[in-house]
Amino acid sequence: GAVVSQHPSWVICKSGTSVKIECRSLDFQATTMFWYRQFPKQSLMLMATSNEGSKATYEQGVEKDKFLINHASLTLSTLTVTSAHPEDSSFYICSAQRRLAGGNEQFFGPGTRLTVL
Amino acid sequence: GEDVEQSLFLSVREGDSSVINCTYTDSSSTYLYWYKQEPGAGLQLLTYIFSNMDMKQDQRLTVLLNKKDKHLSLRIADTQTGDSAIYFCAEDGGYQKVTFGIGTKLQVIP
Repeated sequence: GAVVSQHPSWVICKSGTSVKIECRSLDFQATTMFWYRQFPKQSLMLMATSNEGSKATYEQGVEKDKFLINHASLTLSTLTVTSAHPEDSSFYICSAQRRLAGGNEQFFGPGTRLTVL
Repeated sequence: GEDVEQSLFLSVREGDSSVINCTYTDSSSTYLYWYKQEPGAGLQLLTYIFSNMDMKQDQRLTVLLNKKDKHLSLRIADTQTGDSAIYFCAEDGGYQKVTFGIGTKLQVIP
């Protein structure tokens, strides 16, 4: 199947700093990428839908100025957590959608564990 | 590492029951999830089950868990055309890491 990578796989940062997470589709073009966040012992929460070349669509309750998403190319989307605080510590996972004639396929990245001290 | 497997495609007639199966490898899983993805949309959580449960029912949805065989299933009763979507099985292996299956595309024939 298609491969989606995330970088970094884990990051520790100080409170107040910004962290950028990259999501790449390695062998296909993804017109749409999704960003999810997982809270401890809870399910994945969809944060935003990112379409190449346009502004991301954020889910209700997700601060767009806090979580900046850029989908600059068909193979790369970035999530920047600005002025990170300890409550932003979480597991962030992206998925990339590949459009096919019979429908869309979605592939998940391995996730990025963010710890804010 | 952890692995989650599901069949790729399932076709059922409207009104029949659908059963989507999933197997996983991580015996330390605490939660197992079923997500639904409709065309053009992100994942939406359908239901989840704790690993110490055998069954969970929520309206038309029934989740069965066989922990010994590491087998999870989702049964949709009285399947409707609106149930046509891709269904993802996922397991929570701890440390805030969730592993997803590749997704089963459910086609409901009117």
